[in-house]
Amino acid sequence: QKEVEQNSGPLSVPEGAIASLNCTYSDRGSQSFFWYRQYSGKSPELIMFIYSNGDKEDGRFTAQLNKASQYVSLLIRDSQPSDSATYLCAVNPSGYGGSQGNLIFGKGTKLSVKP
Amino acid sequence: EPEVTQTPSHQVTQMGQEVILRCVPISNHLYFYWYRQILGQKVEFLVSFYNNEISEKSEIFDDQFSVERPDGSNFTLKIRSTKLEDSAMYFCASSEGTWAYEQYFGPGTRLTVT
Repeated sequence: QKEVEQNSGPLSVPEGAIASLNCTYSDRGSQSFFWYRQYSGKSPELIMFIYSNGDKEDGRFTAQLNKASQYVSLLIRDSQPSDSATYLCAVNPSGYGGSQGNLIFGKGTKLSVKP
Repeated sequence: EPEVTQTPSHQVTQMGQEVILRCVPISNHLYFYWYRQILGQKVEFLVSFYNNEISEKSEIFDDQFSVERPDGSNFTLKIRSTKLEDSAMYFCASSEGTWAYEQYFGPGTRLTVT
């Protein structure tokens, strides 16, 4: 069973701080990794996508991937109250299904940014 | 900015009835997906679709489910005989390619089976 694990939270940070969200996955052959933001009652919104080891930065967001440790993280710098949402980690697994792009999601981490 | 659209936003149906959920993927995308999210649970993959056929399906996607691309823009999910446990948010997603491409989600259809 291919699993994606995240702490459910809630993770509470003050406005302006760095929020650090973590995700581990069980399938060592996983190919690509996604971070989505989901507001309550809404659909997942793509924030970052990474498939090479190391860091990838986009504005206030940095995704970090370590395939050897089967670990992917998302850093949010200068956190704002509008960043308060559930952050979903999704993994494109190995094998035929993964090669077709289907994603396995974690349960998500709820982030609360306090003004 | 191009986006995935879905209709209806909310569908209420009685157990045993057939429902069709509709999606319009982003126009230059070639790969299409359906996911569902039961309230309070994680997003689950249902099916992927490419070149007018199913590429991959999950255990959830049993014989009561079917997908179709009836024309050049729409992508549909049909549930033949709905059950109470089919109540969920259903999301359509699309991408230009497979594992090395971003996957964008539509706003979802909330299906309520009574």
